[in-house]
Amino acid sequence: QIQLVQSGPELKKPGESVKISCKASGYTFTNYGIYWVKQAPGQGLQYMGWINTATGKSTYADDFKGRFVFFLETSASTAFLQINNLKNEDMAAYFCTRGPYYFDYWGQGVMVTVSS
Amino acid sequence: DIVLTQSPATLSVSPGESVSLSCRASQGISTSIHWYQQKSNESPRLLIKYASQSISGIPSRFSGSGSGTDFTLSISRIESEDFSVYYCQQSYSLPRTFGAGTKLELK
Repeated sequence: QIQLVQSGPELKKPGESVKISCKASGYTFTNYGIYWVKQAPGQGLQYMGWINTATGKSTYADDFKGRFVFFLETSASTAFLQINNLKNEDMAAYFCTRGPYYFDYWGQGVMVTVSS
Repeated sequence: DIVLTQSPATLSVSPGESVSLSCRASQGISTSIHWYQQKSNESPRLLIKYASQSISGIPSRFSGSGSGTDFTLSISRIESEDFSVYYCQQSYSLPRTFGAGTKLELK
């Protein structure tokens, strides 16, 4: 069956970096883009952008340009989100999901806690 | 960017009632709207795609309608498992955007 399995929770200090993985299985990885969604505590869903799994090209929403990086390890059917220079406002759950139009499969989410 | 406005923010209902949740787009988006349910501490779940198309495994009490700028998610005969937050999302253009959500709570 189709699954997106994400890495575990993270506890980081401001200024550090974090790398979150999203491993896909049950379908051809390069046929569907991977999209990333942020959910701050008690808040709604915020679209971050996506990575084209066939070409590796990333597109970022305006709020996520600069410190956020999407990349792939295609041989392992895995997408990654890296957040550099963490800030308090990055504390959130981060979901990967499969696109491109509607999001039919989701990872379980990764909670990133930022605390000094 | 296309802004999606959901209303109401919170809806208090009793089991067995039927409800309609609204999602309004800032510009015409044809039927490029999709609905999700998110229970506490879970990932979102796709309920309806392209405004009114059903999803395999989703109960038939969930239905969607609308086109252009106004969309509705209808839930008939609400059950206890339906109390959660509902989001709409547009795929008419990039960036994809979500509405702020409607929380369905027990009256």
